[in-house]
Amino acid sequence: ETVMTQSPDTLSVSPGDRATLSCRASQSVTTNVAWYQQRPGQAPRLLIYSASTRATGIPARFSGSGSGTEFTLTISSLQSEDFAVYYCQQYNNWPLYTFGQGTKLDIK
Amino acid sequence: QVQLQESGRGLVKPSQTLSLTCTVSGGSISGAGYYWSWIRQSPGKGLEWIGYIYYTETTYYNPSLQSRVSISQDTSKNQFSLKMRSVTDADTAVYYCAREDPSYCTSSSCQGWFDSWGQGILVTVSS
Repeated sequence: ETVMTQSPDTLSVSPGDRATLSCRASQSVTTNVAWYQQRPGQAPRLLIYSASTRATGIPARFSGSGSGTEFTLTISSLQSEDFAVYYCQQYNNWPLYTFGQGTKLDIK
Repeated sequence: QVQLQESGRGLVKPSQTLSLTCTVSGGSISGAGYYWSWIRQSPGKGLEWIGYIYYTETTYYNPSLQSRVSISQDTSKNQFSLKMRSVTDADTAVYYCAREDPSYCTSSSCQGWFDSWGQGILVTVSS
């Protein structure tokens, strides 16, 4: 099983600042990583797939990067609606999709 | 735009069977191109993929759950369903249905990301 480990568990950032979230895979997943945003009481929403491709309708302030075992989600100029929990997911190592434990983005 | 909606009993007794249905609108589960998945979320285990069904009725399950889980479809109603047998407290979670875009393919399989989700349904296992 490929374990996805996100860091930090909680990140406190001021509105308007940049946030950088990390995700590490226990073995290579090439670029087969997706990122999701989950607001309280809502389902996860797809932000990024293939490590760096924004999903339909996702603002340009969200960007993803990385390959192999290290991945980053960057949110430039944080808006109030961006404070949420973020998850990474690998879909490279079948037959099991695995998710990270999540990073909570808090208002500083 | 595709929409998914979960339904089913929110309270199940230990050792019984959990049954949930996902109704899809704005898209057809009968066509090629997407897998239809179940995913659950609990405080203890985070997000956990349960399994999927394809329109050909091909199914794949999380190896840790496959002995207790089955996913089926009713194309006439544009629905797919989850059954999980012999539930315990550990199966208490919010259950989501989701559409998977399986755009990453190897010689043996295709996998991908979840681009549409239902709102989720809380299932509590308790006597």
